[in-house]
Amino acid sequence: KAGVTQTPRYLIKTRGQQVTLSCSPISGHRSVSWYQQTPGQGLQFLFEYFSETQRNKGNFPGRFSGRQFSNSRSEMNVSTLELGDSALYLCASSQSASGGHYNEQFFGPGTRLTVL
Amino acid sequence: KNEVEQSPQNLTAQEGEFITINCSYSVGISALHWLQQHPGGGIVSLFMLSSGKKKHGRLIATINIQEKHSSLHITASHPRDSAVYICAVLPNNNDMRFGAGTRLTVKP
Repeated sequence: KAGVTQTPRYLIKTRGQQVTLSCSPISGHRSVSWYQQTPGQGLQFLFEYFSETQRNKGNFPGRFSGRQFSNSRSEMNVSTLELGDSALYLCASSQSASGGHYNEQFFGPGTRLTVL
Repeated sequence: KNEVEQSPQNLTAQEGEFITINCSYSVGISALHWLQQHPGGGIVSLFMLSSGKKKHGRLIATINIQEKHSSLHITASHPRDSAVYICAVLPNNNDMRFGAGTRLTVKP
């Protein structure tokens, strides 16, 4: 099976712009989670989608949003970019049952976003 | 106080040494991950544990749910083990919480 893919791998934007990142999960995986990694804050959970519904959300402002399509591919969007949004954005997919069960997560290579 | 604490933050070892990285957490969890991140960013899940002990090659991971503590051991360390090792816990709502990571450098 192909692994988790993320596009683009690198992105440079300026403050105030918006950006859309894409994640294609492993075939058959229905859960996609998004994470932000910065040198200062480390890894932080953004949100999780399962069957096109946002199931969990981390503590990020409303500028960060996402969605999942019927084929389980997911996108995340950041509007009105700030310098502090520069980070590595990782997605991970898993075969997820309903909440309360643990799942091994498979990570994509990440999208490195630089905001100038 | 962070919900997930790792120690040490940095670790330098000589090739062949036995290495231990510790993770303590304060929330109730359904599982714990050990992740490995190499320069460049790619993350690989090494183990997922909910109890006891798992072994894969030279890597061993243990968890004590009552004490809210997990350890990752590397036997016969090698320079290719140099990476950042991250402990991540899964509370029941599947919202993964991460430790700050342990940067391991293994010198030949």
